[in-house]
Amino acid sequence: AQKITQTQPGMFVQEKEAVTLDCTYDTSDQSYGLFWYKQPSSGEMIFLIYQGSYDEQNATEGRYSLNFQKARKSANLVISASQLGDSAMYFCAMRERGSQGNLIFGKGTKLSVKP
Amino acid sequence: EAQVTQNPRYLITVTGKKLTVTCSQNMNHEYMSWYRQDPGLGLRQIYYSMNVEVTDKGDVPEGYKVSRKEKRNFPLILESPSPNQTSLYFCASSSDRSTNEKLFFGSGTQLSVL
Repeated sequence: AQKITQTQPGMFVQEKEAVTLDCTYDTSDQSYGLFWYKQPSSGEMIFLIYQGSYDEQNATEGRYSLNFQKARKSANLVISASQLGDSAMYFCAMRERGSQGNLIFGKGTKLSVKP
Repeated sequence: EAQVTQNPRYLITVTGKKLTVTCSQNMNHEYMSWYRQDPGLGLRQIYYSMNVEVTDKGDVPEGYKVSRKEKRNFPLILESPSPNQTSLYFCASSSDRSTNEKLFFGSGTQLSVL
């Protein structure tokens, strides 16, 4: 079974609008961390935001926020006021206490921002 | 500047010709890891290291070797590359393996094995 599921292979959003990228996860660990990374066409992996399993508040970093619903095991990324530079692949990932530090990735969502 | 440096950025080789992709970090991180990225599959861990002289297999270790003789360096070795190892490779590091530590990634190495 997949540990990280991203059900949207590709998405389009109009510039200046908000967009939500879905991520669900599967773990039996009580302690885990959830991460989102951005991969532009140049290929590098850019860290965006982190949410800990014990964090009670949703994480926010500038235009990025993480909608964390622990009971549903979902960790959706919300990008507000989309910009053309947001066009990229976005990966959801999880680090479990029992995973020896492995960051387990989903298959990614390709976001395209339309002018 | 804190960074993970991997080289080369691009590499084209032929089947069976041994190659090494270097990785170095300047953050005194204990944990280092190699990933490969293939279309539609996301990133998958090849090998990891929790400290000097401590390495272990990840999810897709076949055909690869690593070593960790110094804390800052974690080279990836393909002793006899095959076309199915054509992929985008990333080296990554973090201070340790804690669940709240983000991984810092290198810029990637695009490898083509002909």
